[in-house]
Amino acid sequence: QKEVEQNSGPLSVPEGAIASLNCTYSDRGSQSFFWYRQYSGKSPELIMFIYSNGDKEDGRFTAQLNKASQYVSLLIRDSQPSDSATYLCAVFGSGNTGKLIFGQGTTLQVKP
Amino acid sequence: ETGVTQTPRHLVMGMTNKKSLKCEQHLGHNAMYWYKQSAKKPLELMFVYSLEERVENNSVPSRFSPECPNSSHLFLHLHTLQPEDSALYLCASSQTALRGYTFGSGTRLTVV
Repeated sequence: QKEVEQNSGPLSVPEGAIASLNCTYSDRGSQSFFWYRQYSGKSPELIMFIYSNGDKEDGRFTAQLNKASQYVSLLIRDSQPSDSATYLCAVFGSGNTGKLIFGQGTTLQVKP
Repeated sequence: ETGVTQTPRHLVMGMTNKKSLKCEQHLGHNAMYWYKQSAKKPLELMFVYSLEERVENNSVPSRFSPECPNSSHLFLHLHTLQPEDSALYLCASSQTALRGYTFGSGTRLTVV
């Protein structure tokens, strides 16, 4: 089992719709969770992080964390073509590894 | 300058060449990382440095040689590379991975 799993997609949504990106992780003691956005040929950019169960909202983005289900998601409201990118889920585990574990990323396509 | 700076942005090298990638962070972070990202593959962690000491080497071939002279600078020395080493090489830094990484803009390496 991979430590951090994401559906590679592509996930295609129409402009203005809600895009829902999902991520599961295997380490039950994981402490912090991150969503990075990566445009083609560019480096990853941190867009959201969440530490506690529940929802965290920042503009059109909402991160949701459910530690019991070992599940974290990213919702993008009013999706725009400029949101088209690969979204990487990353997890900081319970061990003293000092590193993030990344999923393979989900490619999102927002169609005008 | 702010953030994490990588140079060069693009590099084309022959298999017999020796070159170096440079990363500099201006964030006061104490950990630095090298990642490799090949086309349509997830991020691969190569090396982790914490307080200038190498704390992780993920079975990377010896043709890749990292150097961390101080907490602000990280190098990746390259020699006798193979075409399959062509990829985007990303540097990142963190104060603690619990708070996530900041990535540099990456070096697009092509080995011919």
